[in-house]
Amino acid sequence: LAKTTQPISMDSYEGQEVNITCSHNNIATNDYITWYQQFPSQGPRFIIQGYKTKVTNEVASLFIPADRKSSTLSLPRVSLSDTAVYYCLVGGDTGRRALTFGSGTRLQVQP
Amino acid sequence: EPEVTQTPSHQVTQMGQEVILRCVPISNHLYFYWYRQILGQKVEFLVSFYNNEISEKSEIFDDQFSVERPDGSNFTLKIRSTKLEDSAMYFCASMGQGIWETQYFGPGTRLLVL
Repeated sequence: LAKTTQPISMDSYEGQEVNITCSHNNIATNDYITWYQQFPSQGPRFIIQGYKTKVTNEVASLFIPADRKSSTLSLPRVSLSDTAVYYCLVGGDTGRRALTFGSGTRLQVQP
Repeated sequence: EPEVTQTPSHQVTQMGQEVILRCVPISNHLYFYWYRQILGQKVEFLVSFYNNEISEKSEIFDDQFSVERPDGSNFTLKIRSTKLEDSAMYFCASMGQGIWETQYFGPGTRLLVL
């Protein structure tokens, strides 16, 4: 599984756009990128998944450059309820295999 | 929206006792998982289950642990003789069969071993 590196923590204010970048330099050709969100004492919640270019859903956007060695999760206009830990996971067919969670990025949104 | 459910939400037990944690995966899912998260630490994989057998397990999942799908809806994790270090949040996850499927997690069971 490709190793990922993401910031330990980030701070933001309500209404701002937050971009969390994840590095995955040894991503393999068949790997895709998945982001999860976790609130305290809750299970990880799937946010978004992509392979290349840009993916957008009702919650977030995921930007993946052509070399796929990094990806950026973009949260538009965050609110206090977006305060959570965000995990970047990379792997091929890992949907079926064990997910390997790192330490994630702890996002703190302030009023 | 379908979701994974887990019971109980909290479990307190004495060291050496057996506990069974229960999960109801999303109804059309065929892949099932258990993870745990010790307070303040990372989410760790325990075991995956498909077609009524274990498909992958971590070194955490030793002989004290077992999983079962006793009927068409439940998926259980049993810890035979709990230890203090088994205290953690235990998360069940399930996944469908599609190519771009992802694992969906339940809310967790908080296990406290005294």
